[in-house]
Amino acid sequence: GESVGLHLPTLSVQEGDNSIINCAYSNSASDYFIWYKQESGKGPQFIIDIRSNMDKRQGQRVTVLLNKTVKHLSLQIAATQPGDSAVYFCAENISGANNLFFGTGTRLTVIP
Amino acid sequence: GAVVSQHPSWVICKSGTSVKIECRSLDFQATTMFWYRQFPKQSLMLMATSNEGSKATYEQGVEKDKFLINHASLTLSTLTVTSAHPEDSSFYICSVGSGGRGGYSNQPQHFGDGTRLSIL
Repeated sequence: GESVGLHLPTLSVQEGDNSIINCAYSNSASDYFIWYKQESGKGPQFIIDIRSNMDKRQGQRVTVLLNKTVKHLSLQIAATQPGDSAVYFCAENISGANNLFFGTGTRLTVIP
Repeated sequence: GAVVSQHPSWVICKSGTSVKIECRSLDFQATTMFWYRQFPKQSLMLMATSNEGSKATYEQGVEKDKFLINHASLTLSTLTVTSAHPEDSSFYICSVGSGGRGGYSNQPQHFGDGTRLSIL
């Protein structure tokens, strides 16, 4: 399944399927990006990050893709599990600055 | 990443009360900590940057006299919501930057589990 981020803030996928969560960032000067996972009643949990000198980075079951031309970021989760159900936020930053700007978030629901 | 602890996790109090929230960096000396606020079903908004040994830097629109921040040590920052009113009810979350003393960058930030503040 695939979300379009700001226009479709919810995404439901079957367990075992791959998930793609999209994010459009706003500042062309941003050069560092982070994906966070937030479960209900908890703080955001770091998933993966990427710098602007890369267009792809892989972690365990997760891949982040960065397209600077269209200012688009995506998070791919392979073999989605019920424990992946949460709200996912992208965040952007300009290197050296403290400010971390969060996107609106996408709620991922995994159907067993 | 840094392990961050917040206390309390949930506060319910009467209007007009002042409430103090603690943020501790358990395994990392944090020269910089951050305070965010999150309303239901919304994203995180940065309120202020807490700097060890100096004044906090507040974001535009955040009242510094209402949200008092103290960062007296490398492991503790506190946020005091003074004379809280129902509109201050929110989820307050702190984070610790990764740079630490001598570090270049404060990213990525690692977050505590938040404090849910309910003002009656």
